[in-house]
Amino acid sequence: YVLTQLPSLSVSPGQTARITCSGHALSKQYAYWYRQKPGQAPVLVISKDTERPSGIPERLSGSSAGTIVTLTISGVQAEDEGDYYCQSTDSSGTLVVFGGGTKLTVL
Amino acid sequence: QVQLQESGPGLVKPSQTLSLTCSVSGGSISSADYYWSWIRQSPGKGLEWIGYIYYSGGTYYNPSLKSRAVLSIDLSMSHFSLKLTSVTAADTAVYYCARLKASGGLSLVANFDFWGQGTLVSVSS
Repeated sequence: YVLTQLPSLSVSPGQTARITCSGHALSKQYAYWYRQKPGQAPVLVISKDTERPSGIPERLSGSSAGTIVTLTISGVQAEDEGDYYCQSTDSSGTLVVFGGGTKLTVL
Repeated sequence: QVQLQESGPGLVKPSQTLSLTCSVSGGSISSADYYWSWIRQSPGKGLEWIGYIYYSGGTYYNPSLKSRAVLSIDLSMSHFSLKLTSVTAADTAVYYCARLKASGGLSLVANFDFWGQGTLVSVSS
């Protein structure tokens, strides 16, 4: 089972970044989003498709439509730069899968 | 605050077995609410889930590893371990241990909420 993400995205400060993740089981299973900065472990930024964990800025939001989930970052700031990974499970709900990651560059 | 710390050799020879341990502190490794997992990241690449284990010893593995990975757990020592057999250069990666939340819904598991700092393991002769 595969989750598909575009490898890279570049946006200017203040613009909106939309990072997508597609997979056939996403219509059934929740997706989670992580941000990873160089040399660091990933950090959860969106849970259960749309929930924002404590401490995550309101400009980050998640949405789901069928087999595609989207992480939206409004008013992108330099600190948002990093690699973003979606994570979910297969249709059985037992095997974990990560998307290939999207490198967000703030111009 | 839960903390996880990986430990083990940083260099393993090809065809040998990679062995890592993750020590858990600040929380109970016997909790029914969590699974304990290994994830790796090859240099410059994305995250790859290896497997997870429950306090009862039940395990699930990434099929792509073709049965080379074995996870175990030691409740008395509050740690869990990974053994990866017949390693090659392709197994060179930063290995993370992480806590995986159990899910009450359609899925057995949810998200990773706490991670170790990661440890680089190189496979080379």
